[in-house]
Amino acid sequence: KAGVTQTPRYLIKTRGQQVTLSCSPISGHRSVSWYQQTPGQGLQFLFEYFSETQRNKGNFPGRFSGRQFSNSRSEMNVSTLELGDSALYLCASSLETAATQYFGPGTRLTVL
Amino acid sequence: AQTVTQSQPEMSVQEAETVTLSCTYDTSENNYYLFWYKQPPSRQMILVIRQEAYKQQNATENRFSVNFQKAAKSFSLKISDSQLGDTAMYFCAFMSPNTGNQFYFGTGTSLTVIP
Repeated sequence: KAGVTQTPRYLIKTRGQQVTLSCSPISGHRSVSWYQQTPGQGLQFLFEYFSETQRNKGNFPGRFSGRQFSNSRSEMNVSTLELGDSALYLCASSLETAATQYFGPGTRLTVL
Repeated sequence: AQTVTQSQPEMSVQEAETVTLSCTYDTSENNYYLFWYKQPPSRQMILVIRQEAYKQQNATENRFSVNFQKAAKSFSLKISDSQLGDTAMYFCAFMSPNTGNQFYFGTGTSLTVIP
């Protein structure tokens, strides 16, 4: 089985722009979670989608949003980028609730 | 709220030796799962081992084993016969079905295996 894939792997944007990141889960997995990883804050939960519905959301501003499609692929969008949004964004998929999460390689976002 | 604490920011071990990474957590939940993930310099997070809280037996995966002390809320990872490929950041994580599928991570322990 193919693992979790994320595109693009690297992204450079400027302040004020918006960005969309994509995640394709492992085949058959219906849950997709997003995390932000920074040296200062560590790994922080953004949100989780299950069967196209957002089930859980972390403590991030409304500039961070996401969605999930019927094929379980997920996208996250960050609008009005700030320098502090520079981070590694990790996507993880799992079969169902209370299941192990499997991570993608991440998208490295740099905001200039 | 759930919290996970890893008190060892950095550790090193000689190749072929054994090392133990510490993790403590705080929760009021009874039904939960604990994980150790490894993040090598390539940055892909890889599952090392998983422990269900209802299981008294400690999980093992080849050279990796855990010491799960539920009453003490402690979940340490032991790596035996350390190999150069074990060099990575190790994250302890907590998840409870009662709080959704959200994982709570510790701040990580950077492990270096010295040849």
